[in-house]
Amino acid sequence: GQQVMQIPQYQHVQEGEDFTTYCNSSTTLSNIQWYKQRPGGHPVFLIQLVKSGEVKKQKRLTFQFGEAKKNSSLHITATQTTDVGTYFCAGIAMYSGGGADGLTFGKGTHLIIQP
Amino acid sequence: EAQVTQNPRYLITVTGKKLTVTCSQNMNHEYMSWYRQDPGLGLRQIYYSMNVEVTDKGDVPEGYKVSRKEKRNFPLILESPSPNQTSLYFCASSPGSWTEAFFGQGTRLTVV
Repeated sequence: GQQVMQIPQYQHVQEGEDFTTYCNSSTTLSNIQWYKQRPGGHPVFLIQLVKSGEVKKQKRLTFQFGEAKKNSSLHITATQTTDVGTYFCAGIAMYSGGGADGLTFGKGTHLIIQP
Repeated sequence: EAQVTQNPRYLITVTGKKLTVTCSQNMNHEYMSWYRQDPGLGLRQIYYSMNVEVTDKGDVPEGYKVSRKEKRNFPLILESPSPNQTSLYFCASSPGSWTEAFFGQGTRLTVV
Protein backbone atom coordinates (compact mmCIF):
# COMPACT_ATOMS: atom_id res chain seq x y z
CA GLY A 1 0.00 0.00 0.00
CA GLN A 2 0.89 3.63 -0.17
CA GLN A 3 3.54 4.87 2.27
CA VAL A 4 4.33 8.43 3.21
CA MET A 5 7.67 8.98 4.91
CA GLN A 6 8.36 12.16 6.82
CA ILE A 7 11.66 13.42 8.24
CA PRO A 8 12.98 14.39 10.65
CA GLN A 9 10.94 12.88 13.46
CA TYR A 10 12.09 15.58 15.89
CA GLN A 11 13.65 18.97 15.29
CA HIS A 12 15.03 21.23 18.01
CA VAL A 13 15.65 24.83 16.99
CA GLN A 14 16.45 28.07 18.71
CA GLU A 15 13.74 30.67 18.42
CA GLY A 16 14.39 32.67 15.29
CA GLU A 17 16.03 29.82 13.38
CA ASP A 18 14.47 28.26 10.30
CA PHE A 19 12.80 24.84 10.19
CA THR A 20 12.10 22.40 7.38
CA THR A 21 10.25 19.10 7.29
CA TYR A 22 10.26 16.76 4.30
CA CYS A 23 7.71 14.31 3.04
CA ASN A 24 8.22 11.50 0.51
CA SER A 25 5.64 9.17 -0.97
CA SER A 26 6.16 5.72 -2.41
CA THR A 27 3.55 6.50 -5.07
CA THR A 28 2.54 9.49 -7.16
CA LEU A 29 0.11 11.72 -5.32
CA SER A 30 -2.96 13.48 -6.63
CA ASN A 31 -2.46 16.09 -3.95
CA ILE A 32 -0.77 16.61 -0.61
CA GLN A 33 -2.04 18.33 2.51
CA TRP A 34 -0.26 19.70 5.56
CA TYR A 35 -1.63 19.76 9.09
CA LYS A 36 -0.41 21.18 12.39
CA GLN A 37 -1.18 19.64 15.76
CA ARG A 38 -0.45 21.69 18.86
CA PRO A 39 0.48 19.77 22.03
CA GLY A 40 -2.70 18.26 23.46
CA GLY A 41 -4.72 19.36 20.44
CA HIS A 42 -6.11 17.95 17.25
CA PRO A 43 -4.72 18.21 13.70
CA VAL A 44 -5.65 21.43 11.96
CA PHE A 45 -5.49 21.84 8.20
CA LEU A 46 -2.86 24.26 6.90
CA ILE A 47 -2.81 23.91 3.12
CA GLN A 48 -3.35 21.68 0.11
CA LEU A 49 -1.03 21.44 -2.90
CA VAL A 50 -2.31 19.99 -6.15
CA LYS A 51 -0.09 20.98 -9.07
CA SER A 52 3.33 19.61 -9.94
CA GLY A 53 6.04 22.04 -8.73
CA GLU A 54 3.53 24.16 -6.84
CA VAL A 55 4.79 26.59 -4.19
CA LYS A 56 2.49 28.31 -1.73
CA LYS A 57 3.24 30.73 1.08
CA GLN A 58 1.41 31.59 4.27
CA LYS A 59 3.29 34.37 6.05
CA ARG A 60 6.47 32.64 7.34
CA LEU A 61 5.45 29.19 6.01
CA THR A 62 6.44 28.01 2.53
CA PHE A 63 5.04 24.79 1.09
CA GLN A 64 6.40 23.01 -1.97
CA PHE A 65 5.15 20.09 -4.05
CA GLY A 66 7.74 18.24 -6.11
CA GLU A 67 7.76 18.08 -9.87
CA ALA A 68 7.08 14.35 -9.81
CA LYS A 69 4.32 14.80 -7.22
CA LYS A 70 6.00 12.34 -4.88
CA ASN A 71 7.58 14.70 -2.38
CA SER A 72 6.80 17.88 -0.51
CA SER A 73 8.33 20.18 2.06
CA LEU A 74 7.26 22.73 4.64
CA HIS A 75 9.71 25.49 5.55
CA ILE A 76 9.19 27.92 8.41
CA THR A 77 11.30 31.08 8.43
CA ALA A 78 12.36 32.61 11.76
CA THR A 79 10.47 30.26 14.06
CA GLN A 80 8.44 31.61 16.95
CA THR A 81 7.22 29.87 20.09
CA THR A 82 3.75 29.72 18.58
CA ASP A 83 5.10 27.38 15.90
CA VAL A 84 5.60 24.59 18.45
CA GLY A 85 3.74 21.40 17.56
CA THR A 86 3.75 18.43 15.23
CA TYR A 87 3.53 18.97 11.50
CA PHE A 88 2.00 16.22 9.40
CA CYS A 89 1.91 15.77 5.68
CA ALA A 90 -0.93 13.71 4.25
CA GLY A 91 -1.01 12.43 0.72
CA ILE A 92 -3.72 11.11 -1.53
CA ALA A 93 -2.53 8.50 -3.99
CA MET A 94 -3.35 8.82 -7.66
CA TYR A 95 -4.16 5.41 -9.04
CA SER A 96 -3.61 4.38 -12.60
CA GLY A 97 -7.33 4.40 -13.25
CA GLY A 98 -7.42 8.10 -12.41
CA GLY A 99 -9.28 7.62 -9.16
CA ALA A 100 -8.13 8.73 -5.73
CA ASP A 101 -8.18 7.25 -2.25
CA GLY A 102 -8.24 8.71 1.24
CA LEU A 103 -5.46 10.46 3.14
CA THR A 104 -2.30 8.64 4.19
CA PHE A 105 -0.47 10.54 6.89
CA GLY A 106 3.24 10.77 7.48
CA LYS A 107 4.38 10.13 11.05
CA GLY A 108 4.91 13.82 11.65
CA THR A 109 7.77 16.08 12.66
CA HIS A 110 7.79 17.37 16.22
CA LEU A 111 9.07 20.95 16.30
CA ILE A 112 10.59 21.94 19.63
CA ILE A 113 11.66 25.55 20.05
CA GLN A 114 14.12 26.72 22.65
CA PRO A 115 13.71 30.38 23.63
CA GLU B 1 -20.11 26.94 14.37
CA ALA B 2 -18.78 24.28 12.01
CA GLN B 3 -17.41 21.43 14.04
CA VAL B 4 -16.80 17.73 14.55
CA THR B 5 -17.86 16.54 17.99
CA GLN B 6 -16.55 13.39 19.61
CA ASN B 7 -17.72 11.84 22.85
CA PRO B 8 -16.44 10.94 25.29
CA ARG B 9 -13.15 12.88 25.43
CA TYR B 10 -11.64 10.46 27.92
CA LEU B 11 -12.56 6.87 28.66
CA ILE B 12 -11.05 4.16 30.83
CA THR B 13 -12.55 0.73 30.38
CA VAL B 14 -11.80 -2.91 31.01
CA THR B 15 -10.87 -5.58 28.54
CA GLY B 16 -13.85 -7.08 26.75
CA LYS B 17 -16.44 -4.46 27.68
CA LYS B 18 -18.10 -3.17 24.52
CA LEU B 19 -17.91 0.57 23.97
CA THR B 20 -18.92 3.16 21.40
CA VAL B 21 -17.25 6.46 20.63
CA THR B 22 -19.62 8.84 18.94
CA CYS B 23 -18.75 11.33 16.21
CA SER B 24 -21.04 13.96 14.77
CA GLN B 25 -20.45 16.71 12.21
CA ASN B 26 -22.66 19.69 11.32
CA MET B 27 -21.11 20.58 7.96
CA ASN B 28 -23.10 18.19 5.75
CA HIS B 29 -19.87 16.45 4.75
CA GLU B 30 -20.09 13.21 2.83
CA TYR B 31 -16.72 11.77 3.82
CA MET B 32 -15.95 10.75 7.40
CA SER B 33 -13.12 8.72 8.86
CA TRP B 34 -11.60 7.44 12.08
CA TYR B 35 -7.91 7.54 12.98
CA ARG B 36 -5.87 6.35 15.87
CA GLN B 37 -2.74 8.18 16.94
CA ASP B 38 0.07 6.40 18.74
CA PRO B 39 3.54 7.72 19.67
CA GLY B 40 5.97 7.25 16.83
CA LEU B 41 3.30 5.91 14.49
CA GLY B 42 1.47 9.08 13.52
CA LEU B 43 -2.15 8.96 12.41
CA ARG B 44 -3.42 5.68 11.02
CA GLN B 45 -6.80 5.34 9.39
CA ILE B 46 -9.14 2.76 10.91
CA TYR B 47 -12.29 3.06 8.78
CA TYR B 48 -13.78 5.58 6.43
CA SER B 49 -17.16 6.29 4.90
CA MET B 50 -17.79 7.88 1.53
CA ASN B 51 -21.48 8.42 2.25
CA VAL B 52 -24.48 7.04 4.13
CA GLU B 53 -24.39 3.24 4.29
CA VAL B 54 -20.99 3.17 2.53
CA THR B 55 -18.05 2.23 4.74
CA ASP B 56 -14.67 0.65 4.07
CA LYS B 57 -11.59 -0.49 5.93
CA GLY B 58 -8.59 1.73 6.38
CA ASP B 59 -5.10 0.61 7.33
CA VAL B 60 -5.81 -0.76 10.84
CA PRO B 61 -9.45 -1.99 10.99
CA GLU B 62 -8.98 -5.11 13.13
CA GLY B 63 -11.02 -4.98 16.34
CA TYR B 64 -13.21 -2.07 15.23
CA LYS B 65 -16.61 -1.60 13.64
CA VAL B 66 -18.35 1.47 12.27
CA SER B 67 -21.74 2.39 10.93
CA ARG B 68 -23.08 5.29 8.86
CA LYS B 69 -26.84 5.33 9.13
CA GLU B 70 -27.06 9.11 8.94
CA LYS B 71 -24.85 11.58 7.15
CA ARG B 72 -23.86 13.49 10.27
CA ASN B 73 -22.96 10.54 12.55
CA PHE B 74 -20.16 8.01 12.31
CA PRO B 75 -19.75 6.02 15.54
CA LEU B 76 -16.73 3.82 16.24
CA ILE B 77 -17.54 0.56 18.00
CA LEU B 78 -15.14 -1.65 19.90
CA GLU B 79 -16.99 -4.92 20.47
CA SER B 80 -14.35 -6.44 22.76
CA PRO B 81 -11.65 -3.90 23.57
CA SER B 82 -8.14 -5.05 24.32
CA PRO B 83 -5.18 -3.20 25.87
CA ASN B 84 -3.52 -2.78 22.46
CA GLN B 85 -6.43 -0.52 21.52
CA THR B 86 -5.34 2.01 24.13
CA SER B 87 -4.79 5.07 22.00
CA LEU B 88 -5.86 8.58 21.06
CA TYR B 89 -8.72 8.45 18.54
CA PHE B 90 -9.74 11.16 16.11
CA CYS B 91 -12.80 11.43 13.96
CA ALA B 92 -12.59 13.61 10.86
CA SER B 93 -14.99 14.80 8.19
CA SER B 94 -14.53 16.44 4.80
CA PRO B 95 -16.60 17.27 1.73
CA GLY B 96 -14.70 14.56 -0.20
CA SER B 97 -11.86 12.09 0.38
CA TRP B 98 -9.39 14.46 -1.31
CA THR B 99 -10.31 17.69 0.45
CA GLU B 100 -9.49 19.44 3.72
CA ALA B 101 -10.27 17.27 6.74
CA PHE B 102 -11.82 18.71 9.89
CA PHE B 103 -10.87 16.81 13.03
CA GLY B 104 -12.72 16.33 16.27
CA GLN B 105 -11.09 17.08 19.62
CA GLY B 106 -10.03 13.47 20.13
CA THR B 107 -10.93 10.66 22.50
CA ARG B 108 -8.26 9.27 24.76
CA LEU B 109 -9.09 5.62 25.41
CA THR B 110 -7.39 3.43 27.99
CA VAL B 111 -8.18 -0.29 28.10
CA VAL B 112 -6.99 -2.08 31.24
